[in-house]
Amino acid sequence: KAGVTQTPRYLIKTRGQQVTLSCSPISGHRSVSWYQQTPGQGLQFLFEYFSETQRNKGNFPGRFSGRQFSNSRSEMNVSTLELGDSALYLCASSITGGLTGELFFGEGSRLTVL
Amino acid sequence: DQQVKQNSPSLSVQEGRISILNCDYTNSMFDYFLWYKKYPAEGPTFLISISSIKDKNEDGRFTVFLNKSAKHLSLHIVPSQPGDSAVYFCAASNPTSGSRLTFGEGTQLTVNP
Repeated sequence: KAGVTQTPRYLIKTRGQQVTLSCSPISGHRSVSWYQQTPGQGLQFLFEYFSETQRNKGNFPGRFSGRQFSNSRSEMNVSTLELGDSALYLCASSITGGLTGELFFGEGSRLTVL
Repeated sequence: DQQVKQNSPSLSVQEGRISILNCDYTNSMFDYFLWYKKYPAEGPTFLISISSIKDKNEDGRFTVFLNKSAKHLSLHIVPSQPGDSAVYFCAASNPTSGSRLTFGEGTQLTVNP
């Protein structure tokens, strides 16, 4: 069974640009959530999508957005990039996103903003 | 407001000994707790979990203990192996959070041969 696939794995952008990251969940998983990891901050929740609807949102500015398609694939977009957006962006999928909370993570997309 | 805290950024133990990783939380609504392990250049992988109705859960060399009154949980690894060297994240969820997990900052465990 294929795992969670994230593309691209690495990318470099400059301030003011925008970026789109893609995530393909495990087949059959309908919940996709996104996390930002920065040194010393652990993983910070960005948002969760379930059946193409945003079900939950973290405390990030509106520059961070996402969407989910009918095949459960998800994208997240960051507009007007800032230096502080440099981070590892992790996508995670689960069957229902239910109470057990167990998530399956991808390897992440490492974004560097110059 | 860091609702889940791992106060030790790093821990070093000898192979064969016990590793104890600690985690504290402040939100009394959390009712499910998980530990994830992360190797460099890989995504976190699920290790073990515990529901708030239990105080202990075991899976092979890994045991998680939950002390609800102290809002504290710990992960015990016995015996520790060099392959256990990784960053360990504690995470928590509440009944309404769905896939929203609140993570601690992580503890880098190094197991020396």
